[in-house]
Amino acid sequence: DAKTTQPNSMESNEEEPVHLPCNHSTISGTDYIHWYRQLPSQGPEYVIHGLTSNVNNRMASLAIAEDRKSSTLILHRATLRDAAVYYCIRRYSGGGADGLTFGKGTHLIIQP
Amino acid sequence: DTGVSQDPRHKITKRGQNVTFRCDPISEHNRLYWYRQTLGQGPEFLTYFQNEAQLEKSRLLSDRFSAERPKGSFSTLEIQRTEQGDSAMYLCASSLYRGGGRDTDTQYFGPGTRLTVL
Repeated sequence: DAKTTQPNSMESNEEEPVHLPCNHSTISGTDYIHWYRQLPSQGPEYVIHGLTSNVNNRMASLAIAEDRKSSTLILHRATLRDAAVYYCIRRYSGGGADGLTFGKGTHLIIQP
Repeated sequence: DTGVSQDPRHKITKRGQNVTFRCDPISEHNRLYWYRQTLGQGPEFLTYFQNEAQLEKSRLLSDRFSAERPKGSFSTLEIQRTEQGDSAMYLCASSLYRGGGRDTDTQYFGPGTRLTVL
């Protein structure tokens, strides 16, 4: 898995939307983008993933740029429980170790 | 589905001692992963199993580390002659791999075992 770039931290208010950016400028055509988050004192948990099209699930939405060099995780209405470190991970499809390559992620702070 | 469980949750040991951690994956999952996480960093991949076969090992997995998954169910991670630098959270994850590409491989993590080496 290759590198992605995220801001170290972001702050938002409760009940407002949050847009978490991720740059993956060297992504190849068959690499997926996965997002995980890690709540305090817990293991990471899967949030969402996508390839080219925007994706929605009950937790979040994932907007992928047309050139696929960046993506944005969208939390539509943040709650205090969404305060966590969010990791954007490129899943390299060309072989190699199957483990996830985590960076430092974005520490999301939610203000009440 | 009770999720991934890890035991113990906390371990304090003295330098030079051996420690062993256990991971019980989600029952139908065929893949099991070990990661290590130090303070302020994201988890780092150590190794993974598909059923009982250990398919990948990271360079981080020194010869003092050994992992097993003898019957393709639970797994153990042993660290021999622990060093202070081994202090970290050790995370286990499992997934159901059906083939066809990495997008099918959502990993489910356990709560981790926090190791402190004095």
